[in-house]
Amino acid sequence: QSVLTQPPSASGTPGQRVTISCSGSSSNIGSNYVYWYQQLPGTAPKFLIYRNNQRPSGVPDRFSGSKSGTSASLAISGLRSEDEADYYCAAWDDSPYVVFGGGTKLTVL
Amino acid sequence: EVQLVESGGGLIQPGGSLRLSCAASGFTVSSNYMSWVRQAPGKGLEWVSVIYSGGSTYYADSVKGRFTISRDNSKNTLYLQMNSLRAEDTAVYYCARAPTLEPALDYWGQGTLVTVSS
Repeated sequence: QSVLTQPPSASGTPGQRVTISCSGSSSNIGSNYVYWYQQLPGTAPKFLIYRNNQRPSGVPDRFSGSKSGTSASLAISGLRSEDEADYYCAAWDDSPYVVFGGGTKLTVL
Repeated sequence: EVQLVESGGGLIQPGGSLRLSCAASGFTVSSNYMSWVRQAPGKGLEWVSVIYSGGSTYYADSVKGRFTISRDNSKNTLYLQMNSLRAEDTAVYYCARAPTLEPALDYWGQGTLVTVSS
């Protein structure tokens, strides 16, 4: 059982906007930044969002993050077939220990 | 170009030991915060350990006392010594870099599979 809770699956059609939630507690999301990673099938995770809502260079602005209290969300707008992947949230929990969400499998219908 | 290449995985019996390596290029391991993250077959990501640029090390409770993270600055390589291996340690092990003191893992290796089985 993961410390951060994510829905196991999400889906959308091309062009749609989808959101993936990540729920934690005061010791992790409530007091620290949230990070998001994308894992395409059969590949290593890729850095997607840092410090709640910042995008690393090269990440399309279709991807956005937000945080409120002990929860965070990843939004993907203009959904594309290549967005089909597993998405993980992460945060410090009583730093320096890192906790991940269980992952959300996004299907593009 | 930043690159991380893991090696050392394989099949090992329960109770055995294995050392994973992560050769880095394009940056200096000792100037960054280097982590190991694992992923059991069909499961999610699990943080394992981190070594700070200053040398401090930290471990997940699940591996504390059994795993040791280290680095060789002359070889620009990160290691994970795994002892007393258990079936539940079976996973793909990734090394990853964070340039700042936060879980912003911006580069990952391709992973190396460790299978603990008799």
